[in-house]
Amino acid sequence: KNEVEQSPQNLTAQEGEFITINCSYSVGISALHWLQQHPGGGIVSLFMLSSGKKKHGRLIATINIQEKHSSLHITASHPRDSAVYICAVFRGAQKLVFGQGTRLTINP
Amino acid sequence: EAGVVQSPRYKIIEKKQPVAFWCNPISGHNTLYWYLQNLGQGPELLIRYENEEAVDDSQLPKDRFSAERLKGVDSTLKIQPAELGDSAVYLCASSLDSSGTEAFFGQGTRLTVV
Repeated sequence: KNEVEQSPQNLTAQEGEFITINCSYSVGISALHWLQQHPGGGIVSLFMLSSGKKKHGRLIATINIQEKHSSLHITASHPRDSAVYICAVFRGAQKLVFGQGTRLTINP
Repeated sequence: EAGVVQSPRYKIIEKKQPVAFWCNPISGHNTLYWYLQNLGQGPELLIRYENEEAVDDSQLPKDRFSAERLKGVDSTLKIQPAELGDSAVYLCASSLDSSGTEAFFGQGTRLTVV
């Protein structure tokens, strides 16, 4: 079993829909990243959080340390949000462990 | 300020040939990571540097892979000889330190071995 599990693996939605991507982890962590990767492009850090909730524009990230769970929400989704979203956690010994990613496609 | 810069963006080589990737981290970032990302999967750590010291290279296939960060700034990752299975995206990332501060990623180098 992977230390970091994301769901769903693939998600297709219509423009304007509210999107939720989930991340569960099985180890103690010091922080969690949400990352965005466009096709052929590099990885962009969206959020780094260790507790509570962060918001940036239409993106919201939450984390529940007790439940070892984080969610990334996108409000009023747009086709330009189409990308792979990756959850990564900082584990002991400064190790960054990545989930498999969620491929999001927003249709106009 | 420029982010993490990697070159080349794309590389196609024949198997058994050598290849090298270059990474320039964000200025002032002491920690540098090299990751390998296979299609449809999350990145996997190859090596982590603290300044010029490789502090975690346990996942680096040392028979064919090598890396260096001589002055604690730029880094190169080399494969010699390349195999078909090395086709992947090689990502470089940097952070201020390795205490859990935010990591910033480069665009990656997409390697195709034919």
